[in-house]
Amino acid sequence: EAQVTQNPRYLITVTGKKLTVTCSQNMNHEYMSWYRQDPGLGLRQIYYSMNVEVTDKGDVPEGYKVSRKEKRNFPLILESPSPNQTSLYFCASSSYRGPSNQPQHFGDGTRLSIL
Amino acid sequence: GNSVTQMEGPVTLSEEAFLTINCTYTATGYPSLFWYVQYPGEGLQLLLKATKADDKGSNKGFEATYRKETTSFHLEKGSVQVSDSAVYFCALIKGGAGGTSYGKLTFGQGTILTVHP
Repeated sequence: EAQVTQNPRYLITVTGKKLTVTCSQNMNHEYMSWYRQDPGLGLRQIYYSMNVEVTDKGDVPEGYKVSRKEKRNFPLILESPSPNQTSLYFCASSSYRGPSNQPQHFGDGTRLSIL
Repeated sequence: GNSVTQMEGPVTLSEEAFLTINCTYTATGYPSLFWYVQYPGEGLQLLLKATKADDKGSNKGFEATYRKETTSFHLEKGSVQVSDSAVYFCALIKGGAGGTSYGKLTFGQGTILTVHP
């Protein structure tokens, strides 16, 4: 089954304690990205990756890091989390090869609470 | 830059009512347009899409037509069900020839729909 898997689904932690949210896809997609969802703002892109070892900032990258060492994985790293990073996070993947009508696939989300 | 504006919610309807959720966009070129749905506790699922002007996307009784002259992509359904209760997001991807599904999605703020029996 084609899927994007995020872990953990829920996390409550404290300011300054480094955390990593993992994202893995099994569709051999080149493109992966991270979004955060906040009430009234919709989803905003944090970082994206066009392929292995190729990453770039999205609209709201401050306070986040990513890496893309393998094609299937795209972890989101919060080195020193702060309360304004409390949000619902989604990982997504898609391919830029083949038909243009392939949809982007989203994970089920990770709800982070930073106290 | 690109932007998407959706009608503000929440929208509350009775079962079998007609639904319209307005969506307008600002973008250069020819974006691809999407509606995503988010059921409670779940991730986003693609509901429908349109990649060029006058295209109509449809799925599960929902429809939306890509109107370049009004830069709109309004979502409609003739008869909603309780199971349609969810958050609906309009989104676009900057266009390429023939439309594209990869790249950054620019989302509207989302519209909460609640359908009562």
